[in-house]
Amino acid sequence: DAGITQSPRHKVTETGTPVTLRCHQTENHRYMYWYRQDPGHGLRLIHYSYGVKDTDKGEVSDGYSVSRSKTEDFLLTLESATSSQTSVYFCAISERLAGEKTQYFGPGTRLLVL
Amino acid sequence: GENVEQHPSTLSVQEGDSAVIKCTYSDSASNYFPWYKQELGKGPQLIIDIRSNVGEKKDQRIAVTLNKTAKHFSLHITETQPEDSAVYFCAASKNDMRFGAGTRLTVKP
Repeated sequence: DAGITQSPRHKVTETGTPVTLRCHQTENHRYMYWYRQDPGHGLRLIHYSYGVKDTDKGEVSDGYSVSRSKTEDFLLTLESATSSQTSVYFCAISERLAGEKTQYFGPGTRLLVL
Repeated sequence: GENVEQHPSTLSVQEGDSAVIKCTYSDSASNYFPWYKQELGKGPQLIIDIRSNVGEKKDQRIAVTLNKTAKHFSLHITETQPEDSAVYFCAASKNDMRFGAGTRLTVKP
């Protein structure tokens, strides 16, 4: 499981409330990612980090922010949750193998926004 | 940016038969192509990958082929077993990784 944990694993919240998801890794990898998974769309990148306090936007970043104050933790925040953000969220880490960044995924967080 | 298409979206085979899943990509600069298996309630697990300087790679019952000219790559599973039932994702990467929409494979005993 590449030493990745996500919390919470399940969450139900109401529209307009803030939500923070946490990804924790134990193997000191530089790169961390947040994806969302929706039927028919596969996995889509929300934000990623290439080091402490170094983050960048992905394909579907609107409505999300991230923070990385420590190597081991990468937080995803929905400032004001909407029903369209109901999804399964996966954190991933990567290590560089022969120049390519192989990614390993956490167990996921299932979020329902009512 | 990169666009990855994956077919079929669902695939049902009899135990012992072979299964083939195909993906195409749009960015000729992509140079890394992993395949993931996702079981119900779990995160995607890397099962095999291939780099652009290799045409084929095999690991026991799983093989992946890459045709750079045509920009497509395929996953082959031989002698399928019920435990192969899962959703499979392909991906293509140069700097960022783009995923296909997934294939739900069902292996009937």
